[in-house]
Amino acid sequence: ETGVTQTPRHLVMGMTNKKSLKCEQHLGHNAMYWYKQSAKKPLELMFVYSLEERVENNSVPSRFSPECPNSSHLFLHLHTLQPEDSALYLCASSPSGLEETQYFGPGTRLLVL
Amino acid sequence: GENVEQHPSTLSVQEGDSAVIKCTYSDSASNYFPWYKQELGKRPQLIIDIRSNVGEKKDQRIAVTLNKTAKHFSLHITETQPEDSAVYFCAASRGGYQKVTFGIGTKLQVIP
Repeated sequence: ETGVTQTPRHLVMGMTNKKSLKCEQHLGHNAMYWYKQSAKKPLELMFVYSLEERVENNSVPSRFSPECPNSSHLFLHLHTLQPEDSALYLCASSPSGLEETQYFGPGTRLLVL
Repeated sequence: GENVEQHPSTLSVQEGDSAVIKCTYSDSASNYFPWYKQELGKRPQLIIDIRSNVGEKKDQRIAVTLNKTAKHFSLHITETQPEDSAVYFCAASRGGYQKVTFGIGTKLQVIP
């Protein structure tokens, strides 16, 4: 598959579980992003990575832990989440810091019980 | 920080009519304004964008206008078709790795 892919597409977890979301981009981009999309709220930027360095962290709770091992892969590690963390988590990439167009993945629909 | 307001939150139009979605922003340093379309169950995709050195941009049935003085920009869709039904998001950014701030989205329904 080309573009930006995310796995899993759906995830149900308990508040004591630990899980990870994975994002992979096949576009040769240098920047990757995590967004949270909740009903009736704007897209919320969570983290930005540029060339594997974190450049933005929008006061996200520590129960969300990102990891970017290389410019093609991005992970979001989840632990002890709350029900209000249930949302669609979107990964995106962009070519470089000079190009702001975001290319989104299909998202992971997360439900925290 | 930047604040982007978008309205209306929902919009219904008859097929063939025009649709207009408006956004305002607060940060006068913002210079990049993209619009994304998100169909039900699908990912957001860029449909058009405009930079602060341009007042208007068109791409077939879609146009975006920008008024930097008033700090607002609008999306215009002419001759709407059922496949235009989706949620549309505006956004504003200072560019580069600066945070892209999104509006809350407008759910557009085109009635055949």
